[in-house]
Amino acid sequence: DADVTQTPRNRITKTGKRIMLECSQTKGHDRMYWYRQDPGLGLRLIYYSFDVKDINKGEISDGYSVSRQAQAKFSLSLESAIPNQTALYFCATSDSLAGSGQPQHFGDGTRLSIL
Amino acid sequence: AQTVTQSQPEMSVQEAETVTLSCTYDTSESDYYLFWYKQPPSRQMILVIRQEAYKQQNATENRFSVNFQKAAKSFSLKISDSQLGDAAMYFCAYRRLRGTDKLIFGTGTRLQVFP
Repeated sequence: DADVTQTPRNRITKTGKRIMLECSQTKGHDRMYWYRQDPGLGLRLIYYSFDVKDINKGEISDGYSVSRQAQAKFSLSLESAIPNQTALYFCATSDSLAGSGQPQHFGDGTRLSIL
Repeated sequence: AQTVTQSQPEMSVQEAETVTLSCTYDTSESDYYLFWYKQPPSRQMILVIRQEAYKQQNATENRFSVNFQKAAKSFSLKISDSQLGDAAMYFCAYRRLRGTDKLIFGTGTRLQVFP
């Protein structure tokens, strides 16, 4: 089983719909992240959370919200989806207690298409 | 703000040959981490190699090695004895030593491997 699980794997929806992407992890990591990947732009940070009560905006948080329901779960919501939010979305985790420089571990991504 | 630049959108190499992917970055900090991630068509994000800026020795992982030039702010990835399975997008990423451990990614280089 994957350590970082994202659901759904793929989603097609319409403009204006509310969408929730979910991420759960079994790694026991305290930090979780949401990125989006667009062709030619690499990955950009949307939101990150250091623990259940610590949530921070990334560089492109407009139009998105997040919820850290538990240490192991971090969901990303699009309240009213628009076509330019079509992208590949990644959840990642890291362990602050494992020492500095630990890499982030990524889920397999959710490909979201908004028509 | 830190930035990461990958100036080669696409590269190609023949099987068994060596290829080097370029990455430059901009930062005013003296201590940080650099990473190379591989994204195959399956779209997973797989850590290839990590370099601590305070270490002068270049990191190596089997057929993968880096040429880290701190003064020039350059962090290239060399793949030796290229294999068909090396075909993927490769992303260079930067992380601060202290504070938030969010990653700043380059735009990626697509590597093709020909038999």
